[in-house]
Amino acid sequence: AQSVTQPDIHITVSEGASLELRCNYSYGATPYLFWYVQSPGQGLQLLLKYFSGDTLVQGIKGFEAEFKRSQSSFNLRKPSVHWSDAAEYFCAVGAGFEGANNLFFGTGTRLTVIP
Amino acid sequence: EAGVAQSPRYKIIEKRQSVAFWCNPISGHATLYWYQQILGQGPKLLIQFQNNGVVDDSQLPKDRFSAERLKGVDSTLKIQPAKLEDSAVYLCASNWGAGLTDTQYFGPGTRLTVL
Repeated sequence: AQSVTQPDIHITVSEGASLELRCNYSYGATPYLFWYVQSPGQGLQLLLKYFSGDTLVQGIKGFEAEFKRSQSSFNLRKPSVHWSDAAEYFCAVGAGFEGANNLFFGTGTRLTVIP
Repeated sequence: EAGVAQSPRYKIIEKRQSVAFWCNPISGHATLYWYQQILGQGPKLLIQFQNNGVVDDSQLPKDRFSAERLKGVDSTLKIQPAKLEDSAVYLCASNWGAGLTDTQYFGPGTRLTVL
């Protein structure tokens, strides 16, 4: 069965510091992987996605993620965090079967940015 | 381009009452999803529509939840009767096609509190 684990419930970083949010997935086939961000009162916004090809994917707002099949991981990174990056981040794995497209989300990591 | 619209944004009801949520997807998007996001958890898919047909409702508690998308555009999700554990944010999402490669765009959600 497909599942996503985000081991860090809450992370605090200083503005300007680098960031890495961890994501581990469980899926039998080649995974479709996503990172979404949710700001208070806002819907989820797609940061980036991986389907195939280059294992380092670039997203919006300066984020990138690296797919590592051997570690079943898809960690999100940003070299320098801005105060506006404070939000909840969700990793998801996509599973399609019989025409249905289900995104299985992790429990999220809340990012706090301190000045 | 207008995003996914949802209403109401907030709803407070007592247990055993009924409630309905409305979603208008992005124009032209054939696929519409309803997700339930309980506090501290990631979103969980309740139902997926392709045009006005149901593709996947395997996680919809059908004894109390119902959803429809009669004209293949906007959709309503109903809970009757509500239970305390239904307190959550209900997210609507849509995308152009039926594949996982099509980005799902999320609305701001409806926050339901059941007392």
